[in-house]
Amino acid sequence: LAKTTQPISMDSYEGQEVNITCSHNNIATNDYITWYQQFPSQGPRFIIQGYKTKVTNEVASLFIPADRKSSTLSLPRVSLSDTAVYYCLVGDQAGTALIFGKGTTLSVSS
Amino acid sequence: EPEVTQTPSHQVTQMGQEVILRCVPISNHLYFYWYRQILGQKVEFLVSFYNNEISEKSEIFDDQFSVERPDGSNFTLKIRSTKLEDSAMYFCASSEGTGGQHFGDGTRLSIL
Repeated sequence: LAKTTQPISMDSYEGQEVNITCSHNNIATNDYITWYQQFPSQGPRFIIQGYKTKVTNEVASLFIPADRKSSTLSLPRVSLSDTAVYYCLVGDQAGTALIFGKGTTLSVSS
Repeated sequence: EPEVTQTPSHQVTQMGQEVILRCVPISNHLYFYWYRQILGQKVEFLVSFYNNEISEKSEIFDDQFSVERPDGSNFTLKIRSTKLEDSAMYFCASSEGTGGQHFGDGTRLSIL
């Protein structure tokens, strides 16, 4: 599985857009990029998944450049409740184990 | 929205005892997983299960552990002869095979 690198922590204020970038230089052709969110004492929650270009859903956007060696999770207008750990994972979809890193701890202040 | 449910939310067990953690995956999902997270540490993969057999397991998942899908809805993790270091949050997840894995909110296992 491709290794990922993301910032350990980020700080933001309510109402701002937050962009978290993840590097995955060794991504394989079959790999997808998936982001999860985790609150304390809860299980990781699927946010968004993409293969290339841009994917958008009701909570986030995922930007993937043509070389796919990095990706950026964009959270529009964050609120205090977006304070959580965000994980970037890379792998193929067919029932593969997820290998979590330490993620990015996002702290949103008022 | 369908969700993965886990019971119990908190299990306290004496060291050396057996414990069974239960999960009800999302009904149309085909792949099932167990992960654990020791307090303050990363989420760690234990095992994946597909078509009624283990498809992948980590080094953590040794002979102390076993999984079972006893009927069409439940997915269980059994830990035999528990040790202090087994204390952790245990998460069950399920997936269709595409579109990400869906996690339950976990069982907090405390070994005394």
